[in-house]
Amino acid sequence: KQEVTQIPAALSVPEGENLVLNCSFTDSAIYNLQWFRQDPGKGLTSLLLIQSSQREQTSGRLNASLDKSSGRSTLYIAASQPGDSATYLCAVIDSSNTGKLIFGQGTTLQVKP
Amino acid sequence: NAGVMQNPRHLVRRRGQEARLRCSPMKGHSHVYWYRQLPEEGLKFMVYLQKENIIDESGMPKERFSAEFPKEGPSILRIQQVVRGDSAAYFCASSPSRRNTEAFFGQGTRLTVV
Repeated sequence: KQEVTQIPAALSVPEGENLVLNCSFTDSAIYNLQWFRQDPGKGLTSLLLIQSSQREQTSGRLNASLDKSSGRSTLYIAASQPGDSATYLCAVIDSSNTGKLIFGQGTTLQVKP
Repeated sequence: NAGVMQNPRHLVRRRGQEARLRCSPMKGHSHVYWYRQLPEEGLKFMVYLQKENIIDESGMPKERFSAEFPKEGPSILRIQQVVRGDSAAYFCASSPSRRNTEAFFGQGTRLTVV
C-alpha cells in the first residue's frame, strides 16, 4: 500500500531564505508526482507535475526533483516571500490503473517579513 | 476555459438530512475524482468516475455515500442521513486522462453538520 510522508510538518523562515520541502513515498512504482499549494480555507493549486521518467521540473522560483528509486521528491523554493506562506502538499499517482492521487499530510510554511 | 467548479462552497446540514455536492469538471475533462479532507487530516481519495461510470469507489464509506457522473450535467456526491463526522471539506478534481496528466482541483465544498 502506497504511503506518502512529508517532513517537516511545519516550517517558519524569514523572508528571502531558500528552503527545501521533502516528500517520500513507499512504493517506487508511480506514474507521476504532483506538488500542490493550499491556502487556508481554499482549494488546491497545482504547482508542478513531474512524470515518472523525469528528474525535475522548474517553474519560476520553484524547482521540484524526483528520485523514484529512493522514493523521494523535494520542492525547492528560492528567495522565499511572505506570499509563499501556505500548506504544500505532495501527491503521487500510484501503480493502480485509476489515476487517483495519494497525498502526504503536507508541510505548512510560514515566511515572516 | 473555466476551472473545476464546485457548488455550493459552504453547506450546513442538520444531522439526518441529505447533502448534495456538485462538481463540473474542466471543459474536455471526462475523468472526475472526489477527495475528502477531514479536520487535521490529509486529503483522502473517495471515488473516481468517468461519464456514467463509477471506476473506483474504494475510498467511499460503504453506507450513506454515493456518487454519479451523468451523461449530461455535473458530477454529484450525495451523503444521506449526515452525521457530525461527515463535516469536512470535499474536493473534486478533473483530468483529461487517467494517469500521466495534471489533476486540477475545485475550490471545495465545506460541509458542516450541526
